[in-house]
Amino acid sequence: DIQMTQSPSSLSATVGDRVTITCRASQGIRDDLGWYQQKPGKAPKRLIYDASNLSSGVPSRFSGSASGTVFTLTISSLQPDDFATYYCLQHYTYPLTFGGGTKVEIK
Amino acid sequence: EVQLVESGGALVQPGGSLRLSCAASGFTFSDYNMDWVRQAPGKGLEWVGHIRRKSSSYTTEYAASVKGRFAISRDDSKNLLYLQMNSLKTEDTAVYYCTKVDSSADDSFDPWGQGTLVSVSS
Repeated sequence: DIQMTQSPSSLSATVGDRVTITCRASQGIRDDLGWYQQKPGKAPKRLIYDASNLSSGVPSRFSGSASGTVFTLTISSLQPDDFATYYCLQHYTYPLTFGGGTKVEIK
Repeated sequence: EVQLVESGGALVQPGGSLRLSCAASGFTFSDYNMDWVRQAPGKGLEWVGHIRRKSSSYTTEYAASVKGRFAISRDDSKNLLYLQMNSLKTEDTAVYYCTKVDSSADDSFDPWGQGTLVSVSS
């Protein structure tokens, strides 16, 4: 199975900060990775697909990138609505695997 | 509007069975592959399984943790997705989400249903 190692598991940040979250795949997954945002008590919401494509309606302050087996989600200027938990998901091969999640909290 | 609505969650004893449903609307359900994802209380997301559309013979994939106990099926005439859960264990306690595989977006998951809670306890 492909392991997705997501870091950090949590972070504290201030509105306006630049935030970076990383997922490292245990083997190559091409760009078959998405990023999802989940707020407490709510279903996950897709932010990024194909490693770097912004989902429709998602603010442009979110971006994704890839370098080999390392995938990065960046929030260029953190907004109050962005405090949530973020997950990566590889769908290159079964079983599909999620990263452990990153909880973004208010500093 | 594309919408997924899960139902069927309940409190069930260990060893019991339960069937979840996911009602789809706003898109041609039969054209899309579908997945189930779960989230144990206070934990992260865990992929459960996948069902392909008719053109791929409705084939399925499962996580090792549920293989042989859970079965995914669909009724394209009713726009319904199912998750039959047998031999339930306490560790199956979770919110279960259904999600549509977006073939136009690298097979990512969008949208997701609101989830239905399954509690396995004696």
